[in-house]
Amino acid sequence: AQTVTQSQPEMSVQEAETVTLSCTYDTSENNYYLFWYKQPPSRQMILVIRQEAYKQQNATENRFSVNFQKAAKSFSLKISDSQLGDTAMYFCAFKDSNSGYALNFGKGTSLLVTP
Amino acid sequence: NAGVMQNPRHLVRRRGQEARLRCSPMKGHSHVYWYRQLPEEGLKFMVYLQKENIIDESGMPKERFSAEFPKEGPSILRIQQVVRGDSAAYFCASWDPGTGPYNEQFFGPGTRLTVL
Repeated sequence: AQTVTQSQPEMSVQEAETVTLSCTYDTSENNYYLFWYKQPPSRQMILVIRQEAYKQQNATENRFSVNFQKAAKSFSLKISDSQLGDTAMYFCAFKDSNSGYALNFGKGTSLLVTP
Repeated sequence: NAGVMQNPRHLVRRRGQEARLRCSPMKGHSHVYWYRQLPEEGLKFMVYLQKENIIDESGMPKERFSAEFPKEGPSILRIQQVVRGDSAAYFCASWDPGTGPYNEQFFGPGTRLTVL
C-alpha cells in the first residue's frame, strides 16, 4: 500500500522568509502523480502545485516550488517570500493507477506565518 | 461556472440516526470521490463513483456506510446508525477522467458531521 509521510506536524516562518515542508512517500510504481494541497481555516482544499513522476524538472508555481527526488521518494514544498495568507494546513498527496487515481494524503503540516 | 457543491455544510445527528450527505460535481464531471477527514488527520479515501456505478469502495467501512451516484441528481453518501466516531469532515471531489490523471480533482467545501 502506498503511504505518504509528513514528518513536520507544525512549522513557523516569518513573513517574507522561505520555508520548506517535507514529504516522503512509498510506492512500487514507476509512474505516479504528486500534489501539495493547502487547507486554510475555511477547510476548502486548494491545489498548490503538482508533479508527474516521469518529469525530472521540478514544478514551480509563482512563490511555490518543489524539490522532487524520485530515487529518494521525496517531494518537498518550498514557499518563498512567505505571506500571512499562507498560514494553513498543507497536505502532500499521491496517486497512481493502482488506487483508481484516488488521492492518498499525508497527515499534514500546520504552517504559521508570523509578522 | 459553479464548482463542486456539498450540502449540508454542517450536520448534527444523534447516535443511531441516519446522515445523508450530498455532492453535486462540477458541470460535465461524471466521476466523484468521497474522502473523510478525522480531526487532526489528512483526508482518507472512501469511495470512487461514476454515474450509476461504484468503481472502487475499498475505503468504505463495511457496515453502515453506502454511496450512490444516480443518473440524475447528486451523489449521496449515507451513514446509517451513526456513532460518535463518525464525527468528521466529509469531502467530495469531482474529476473528469478524460483529462488524464495529472489533472486535479476539484474539491467541495465539505460537510462537517457532528454526532452527539
